[in-house]
Amino acid sequence: DSGVTQTPKHLITATGQRVTLRCSPRSGDLSVYWYQQSLDQGLQFLIQYYNGEERAKGNILERFSAQQFPDLHSELNLSSLELGDSALYFCASSVAGRTNEKLFFGSGTQLSVL
Amino acid sequence: DAKTTQPTSMDCAEGRAANLPCNHSTISGNEYVYWYRQIHSQGPQYIIHGLKNNETNEMASLIITEDRKSSTLILPHATLRDTAVYYCIVRGTDNDMRFGAGTRLTVKP
Repeated sequence: DSGVTQTPKHLITATGQRVTLRCSPRSGDLSVYWYQQSLDQGLQFLIQYYNGEERAKGNILERFSAQQFPDLHSELNLSSLELGDSALYFCASSVAGRTNEKLFFGSGTQLSVL
Repeated sequence: DAKTTQPTSMDCAEGRAANLPCNHSTISGNEYVYWYRQIHSQGPQYIIHGLKNNETNEMASLIITEDRKSSTLILPHATLRDTAVYYCIVRGTDNDMRFGAGTRLTVKP
């Protein structure tokens, strides 16, 4: 158990809908990362937050947005969903987001868009 | 663009050492080398990381060449449970952790 909690574990929805994925980092970790893993793209970095502020942005679509709240949990919002958004979404956390810190990953949310 | 090059797949006999290579010829002086693995569709699991010196922990050893252009992850006594995709990642000042395609290691009885 990494200590990173992601909910829900599975999500099934339809095209055009909007969903919210939730992540609770390990106790004491201030930085949160979001990743998308699809069969054809592998693990893609989406975005990183540190103590409520966006720190780094990767291949995140404009239809997607994220935020980190004062209690340090994070949410990833996916809107106008398309079939191609079906993927595993992972959240990870680290203490302060420094380059010499390891990331701890959650068990992921499996999103299926039908 | 990926900063690392790894073989697509490797096999290893159970009980033997698994040596997974990684090339990172464009690595900068302040960039770290990280290794993670992913078993099936579980979340990636941290293995080890280093900057210049060789590192060892309870899971593995990391050998980094003197010029830092390549490294090798060593699992000293591979078991069937070590079958996974292994990712070598170079992490720099831009702070994000970007995964490549990794090496699919199959440990065979």
